[in-house]
Amino acid sequence: AQKVTQAQTEISVVEKEDVTLDCVYETRDTTYYLFWYKQPPSGELVFLIRRNSFDEQNEISGRYSWNFQKSTSSFNFTITASQVVDSAVYFCALSEPHTGGFKTIFGAGTRLFVKA
Amino acid sequence: GAVVSQHPSWVICKSGTSVKIECRSLDFQATTMFWYRQFPKQSLMLMATSNEGSKATYEQGVEKDKFLINHASLTLSTLTVTSAHPEDSSFYICSARDPLAADQETQYFGPGTRLLVL
Repeated sequence: AQKVTQAQTEISVVEKEDVTLDCVYETRDTTYYLFWYKQPPSGELVFLIRRNSFDEQNEISGRYSWNFQKSTSSFNFTITASQVVDSAVYFCALSEPHTGGFKTIFGAGTRLFVKA
Repeated sequence: GAVVSQHPSWVICKSGTSVKIECRSLDFQATTMFWYRQFPKQSLMLMATSNEGSKATYEQGVEKDKFLINHASLTLSTLTVTSAHPEDSSFYICSARDPLAADQETQYFGPGTRLLVL
């Protein structure tokens, strides 16, 4: 069965600190996709990254980086030199092929507070 | 990425009335859209999958007669909360995938609708 675990409920850091958000997933499929979304206080979910199960290359985009490790079923997200604007809830999600398309489930989310 | 709009952004209604929420894909055609519900400080819970031209697929525990979904065109899906009650107050979010895009597995979300039932 699909499962996404974000064990960190809330994280509080001071501006300029680096912070890593953990995501562990469970799936029986060999083909699947992993995502990270940001939900700022306004509520709208912002797509950050998509990764397929066959691509374990780590990715860096500005201050954001992602570490995908199939051996540990983890897809962790690191923000370098955090800023106050990074304060939001971050969701990790897993999509698997399903009848008619893909089925996606979301982790519980990690609320990040970045203090000035 | 693909753009999804949602209307209204917030609505306050009296108990017993019905509320319709629209979800539109602005720059692509979506044969499938998704409706989620999110309670404060909780994750997104999939309510139903909206299929263009056919009946929606509801998740277990979601009342079909309570949450009516219509997907009449390739760019519009509507969710109607019928006979709303205070416990229906929540944040409702829709999403869609672009079936013709290279990242067709990616869901793009609307801005959400905050519903408050008095």
